[in-house]
Amino acid sequence: DAKTTQPTSMDCAEGRAANLPCNHSTISGNEYVYWYRQIHSQGPQYIIHGLKNNETNEMASLIITEDRKSSTLILPHATLRDTAVYYCIVRVHGTSYGKLTFGQGTILTVHP
Amino acid sequence: DTAVSQTPKYLVTQMGNDKSIKCEQNLGHDTMYWYKQDSKKFLKIMFSYNNKELIINETVPNRFSPKSPDKAHLNLHINSLELGDSAVYFCASSQDAHAGELFFGEGSRLTVL
Repeated sequence: DAKTTQPTSMDCAEGRAANLPCNHSTISGNEYVYWYRQIHSQGPQYIIHGLKNNETNEMASLIITEDRKSSTLILPHATLRDTAVYYCIVRVHGTSYGKLTFGQGTILTVHP
Repeated sequence: DTAVSQTPKYLVTQMGNDKSIKCEQNLGHDTMYWYKQDSKKFLKIMFSYNNKELIINETVPNRFSPKSPDKAHLNLHINSLELGDSAVYFCASSQDAHAGELFFGEGSRLTVL
């Protein structure tokens, strides 16, 4: 699975959009981009995933560049409860037996 | 009604002891996992079972023995505990062995003294 690079930390004001970038320049054509987050003292939580089209669900939007070498997770209206470590993971869909390789992630702090 | 539940949530024990962590999922999933999160917060997969069959074993010491009595349960038994085993252990499940959407439990914090 391709390696990802994320900023170590980011800040966001409550109510504003949080845009979390992820670089995956070595991504292969059959690899999906997954996002998870881990709120303090909790287990990781799946957020969203995509291949090349932009995706949106009730939690977030995922924007993938046309060359697929980077992506951005968007939390449209961040709340204090969104403070967490956000992990960007690249994985071949349908294989790897659910093996998610977590990196260091981005610590997002949402402040009042 | 918790989807993936682990017990105990906290476990403090002495070096050399044997301990078990239990996990149950009520999602009807076929596949279950154990992940370890160390003091540096890195999450690493340890084991995965699909329909009670071991499909991933990430070079974990033999002291760690997972057991899956049925597809809704995956327990982790650790023999001869060492200081380095101190970590948070997360159980997870997914619909099948190829799914990328995993549902994690709340974690079990193991402290070895």
